[in-house]
Amino acid sequence: DVVMTQSPLSLPVTLGQPASISCRSSQSLVHSDGNTYLNWFRQRPGQSPRPLIYRVSNRESGVPDRFSGSGSGTDFTLKISRVEAEDVGVYYCMQGIHWPPVTFGQGTRLEIK
Amino acid sequence: QVQLVESGGGVVQPGRSLRLSCAGSGFTFSNYGLHWVRQAPGKGLEWVAVIWYDGSRQYYADSVKGRFTISRDDSKNTLYLQMNSLTVEDTAVYYCARDIGVVAVHFDYWGQGTLVTVSS
Repeated sequence: DVVMTQSPLSLPVTLGQPASISCRSSQSLVHSDGNTYLNWFRQRPGQSPRPLIYRVSNRESGVPDRFSGSGSGTDFTLKISRVEAEDVGVYYCMQGIHWPPVTFGQGTRLEIK
Repeated sequence: QVQLVESGGGVVQPGRSLRLSCAGSGFTFSNYGLHWVRQAPGKGLEWVAVIWYDGSRQYYADSVKGRFTISRDDSKNTLYLQMNSLTVEDTAVYYCARDIGVVAVHFDYWGQGTLVTVSS
């Protein structure tokens, strides 16, 4: 199974400051079609996961442009340019190319300092 | 708008069975693959099972293989998860999720989840 490793696991951030979360996969997420398949989700307390980013860097509909994704191969990053209070929650990366099983990172808990 | 609504959770004793449902609306249900993903209390997300858009294939996590069965009834726009021989390790919130991926899994909508508690 592909192992997804996130860091840090806890991320205290001051409002208005940037935040960055790393995700590494144990295998390359590059498909033979040339695309790289890595998704990001945010889960607010008591809510279901919300998709944020697909295929490394594409924002889902309605996701603010302060969220951006980057990376290649096995190393990926989710960045928030200026953290707002509503960004609090747990962020997960996910791979769905080498499946089953689909695998998720452990989650990174973003909190406001 | 697209909605997925899970139901059927509850408290069940170890070794017993439970069937979860996920009702879809706002989209053509039969066009999409559907997954179950679970989350144990205070833990991360764990993929459970998938069923192809036409019901032709199903895959399971090793942790539930042989005990859980995923199925769908497109006439009712409903996805199911039959869970047998439940153990305390199956205690979790169970989410259904729609998959719009072609080459790789791409979840675009999730339900609100239903809590299953396995306890004596």
